[in-house]
Amino acid sequence: EAGVTQSPRYAVLQEGQAVSFWCDPISGHDTLYWYQQPRDQGPQLLVYFRDEAVIDNSQLPSDRFSAVRPKGTNSTLKIQSAKQGDTATYLCASGPPGGSYEQYFGPGTRLTVL
Amino acid sequence: GDSVTQTEGLVTVTEGLPVKLNCTYQTTYLTIAFFWYVQYLNEAPQVLLKSSTDNKRTEHQGFHATLHKSSSSFHLQKSSAQLSDSALYYCALSGIASSSFSKLVFGQGTSLSVVP
Repeated sequence: EAGVTQSPRYAVLQEGQAVSFWCDPISGHDTLYWYQQPRDQGPQLLVYFRDEAVIDNSQLPSDRFSAVRPKGTNSTLKIQSAKQGDTATYLCASGPPGGSYEQYFGPGTRLTVL
Repeated sequence: GDSVTQTEGLVTVTEGLPVKLNCTYQTTYLTIAFFWYVQYLNEAPQVLLKSSTDNKRTEHQGFHATLHKSSSSFHLQKSSAQLSDSALYYCALSGIASSSFSKLVFGQGTSLSVVP
């Protein structure tokens, strides 16, 4: 069974530039999560979906960040105008239906904003 | 709010000696499960242990943890640390509040360094 895949693995930007991250969850998983993990900190939830619906985006900086999952499978997280404070690893995770609570993480995208 | 606390940022232990990583929590979730995730350098977090049963010991890869709801704790232990255990360890809880879906809350993480 293929795991969660993410691309790109690395991104380096100047402040003000835009960037998109892509995530392909494990087949059959209905929930999908995006986390931000600053260096030397634990992952912090940004947004999560069940199928194509946003369940919780309260931690997503809505003025610059957006996330979609239009067909309930792949997902894209976009930063419109990156800031140095956005430097972090962005992790995608997916979870199976049925309430097992477990989430499976992708390898992440390491973003550096100069 | 819901939170997970890991009091040690860095734990250094000599190979072959026991190690304990602390984890306590506060939650308002109705049903909860607990995890220890391990994250090796430049890799994604992966589940090491999980439990949702009070006072039941869970074991995997030589590590063990017991959920104690009475003390709101889920400490991770190993009787003999190995060099390959050096990594970041995150305690996390996952719960469902009312009709919401499960979400993970992570602790700050503990970096375990096993030295010869």
